[in-house]
This record gives sequence, structure tokens and C-alpha cells, in this order.
Amino acid sequence: GQQLNQSPQSMFIQEGEDVSMNCTSSSIFNTWLWYKQDPGEGPVLLIALYKAGELTSNGRLTAQFGITRKDSFLNISASIPSDVGIYFCAGQLRGRLEKLVFGKGTKLTVNP
Amino acid sequence: EPEVTQTPSHQVTQMGQEVILRCVPISNHLYFYWYRQILGQKVEFLVSFYNNEISEKSEIFDDQFSVERPDGSNFTLKIRSTKLEDSAMYFCASAPVTLNTDTQYFGPGTRLTVL
Repeated sequence: GQQLNQSPQSMFIQEGEDVSMNCTSSSIFNTWLWYKQDPGEGPVLLIALYKAGELTSNGRLTAQFGITRKDSFLNISASIPSDVGIYFCAGQLRGRLEKLVFGKGTKLTVNP
Repeated sequence: EPEVTQTPSHQVTQMGQEVILRCVPISNHLYFYWYRQILGQKVEFLVSFYNNEISEKSEIFDDQFSVERPDGSNFTLKIRSTKLEDSAMYFCASAPVTLNTDTQYFGPGTRLTVL
């Protein structure tokens, strides 16, 4: 099946630092999404990307849909302690209502 | 803000027993999903449901699994005879069917522990 390769697997940073994580795939995806998961909770949508090359921001978060449609990155600027959690990329191959294919996640730890 | 709710939050069962996990999707949503996440692993798709029938299912969703929308608000996942490897977090998600947004919104999950 389709797989998303997400990196890094984990990150340990100081408060105030910027963070970057990315996802790549051998398949072309029509939609890329980034979710955050806190312990014991379900994934919460951060940013959705629908067009190749699209760059979208949500507060301190910025994500881009790669031109080849096979990759995406998420940047977090000026990290704060509440950014701690696991960040997942997810993609949809064709239509927006079809299943999400998830990456393995990036676990972010922010030291105050 | 409307949200997806799931009950119970934690279910412990014996191997071979049947379990039913319940979800109440967001009220105006029409597309429903079940995903699962084994501890420490990625979220995996199980099944999608639209217009009272399954739209798509994964290899994981075998004959032991079934879904139902018994009324206008609930969406359930039944596992007929649980196995140890069914232990996982099970997430329900729902999506509207509109031109402007069709993002999947996730519930908080049910942690299933099979002993």
C-alpha cells in the first residue's frame, strides 16, 4: 500500500527555536494534511493543502505542498512548550473524502 | 465548537468477546470513518461509510469487523471475536460533504485492551 515517510522521528528543541519536519512518498497525493496528536487524544487538524506548490500558514505554523505532489513540509516558528506532541502528516491519493494515509509521526519535545 | 464524541474512553475485554465501540459524529457530517492506532505506531485506516453503506475498507477490516449507523446520530464499530492484536486506540472521524470543506475531524478515541 501507499506509504508516507516522515522525518525526523523525534526532535528535542529549546523553547523559541524553529522546527521543521517533512514527509515524502513514492506516490502522488492530491491532498496533504498535517495533524497534531496530544497524549490520549485524537489527531487534530493543523493545516490542509490542496494544490501543488501551495504554501499555507496557521499562526506560527507553515506548511507547503511539494511541486511534485510527493512531499510536504511543516515548519513551526518560535516554539513554545504547548507545541509538545506528535505531528503526523497525512495524504489522500485522489478525492478529499477518501481514506487518510498517515506517516509514522514526529515526536516533538520542547524544553522551557 | 461541534466535535466528534466516542464512548467508552477505555474498554477492557477478554479475548474472544464481542465489543461495540460507539461514536457520535458531528451532526451535519455525512461521511464517517474508523481508524486505529496500535500503541506507538501510526494511525491506520479501517473503513469509511457513506449513505448507509461501506465506501472503502482496508485489509485490516476483515469479517470480524462490522459498522452500523443504527440511528441518525450514532456510528458503531463492532468486533465480533476480539483477538489480542486488536488492542489499540480506535478513532472515529467524520467529514462534511460540502464544496468548501471536507476535512476529517477525529474523536478522542477509545482505548481497547484485549486480555
